[in-house]
Amino acid sequence: DAKTTQPNSMESNEEEPVHLPCNHSTISGTDYIHWYRQLPSQGPEYVIHGLTSNVNNRMASLAIAEDRKSSTLILHRATLRDAAVYYCILKIGGSNYKLTFGKGTLLTVNP
Amino acid sequence: NAGVMQNPRHLVRRRGQEARLRCSPMKGHSHVYWYRQLPEEGLKFMVYLQKENIIDESGMPKERFSAEFPKEGPSILRIQQVVRGDSAAYFCASSPQEGYNTEAFFGQGTRLTVV
Repeated sequence: DAKTTQPNSMESNEEEPVHLPCNHSTISGTDYIHWYRQLPSQGPEYVIHGLTSNVNNRMASLAIAEDRKSSTLILHRATLRDAAVYYCILKIGGSNYKLTFGKGTLLTVNP
Repeated sequence: NAGVMQNPRHLVRRRGQEARLRCSPMKGHSHVYWYRQLPEEGLKFMVYLQKENIIDESGMPKERFSAEFPKEGPSILRIQQVVRGDSAAYFCASSPQEGYNTEAFFGQGTRLTVV
């Protein structure tokens, strides 16, 4: 399975932007980059996904490096409700239904 | 449109009993996935089902665990003769189709405690 590498934890202040990095140097041409988050005591929640181009939705933005070996999830204005574990996941060929979760990044948001 | 519904939310079983975890996917979703999250560990894929078919059960323990998604009714994850090591949060997810471009919708999970 293609692997991703994320920092174990990050800290932010409320209403400031947050940039969550992810390295995926072994990504293949057809692998999609997905981000999910898991709030305390809840199930994972889809955030955003992309292939090559940067993507925006109501929750976040996804910036993908030109060589696709890394990506950054951007929360434009962090709120206390954004405190969660954020997972960067590659959907890979042959099992494009499967989400392989790593340890993720624990985001702490300070008031 | 209700989300993915899992019940019970909490389940306590004694060692050796059976645990039945139920999952109702979102309306219109025919693809169901089960994941397990052991204490202090990440989420691990267990099984992928479509109506009446098991597509991929590569993450299921070889013994005591089974899953089904009948034509009518919820998907069931069944654990026979539970042991303490089965204590975990079990999450169900559903999607309208499979594919790179598809997001999965997760339920709130069932937290199984084996005493």
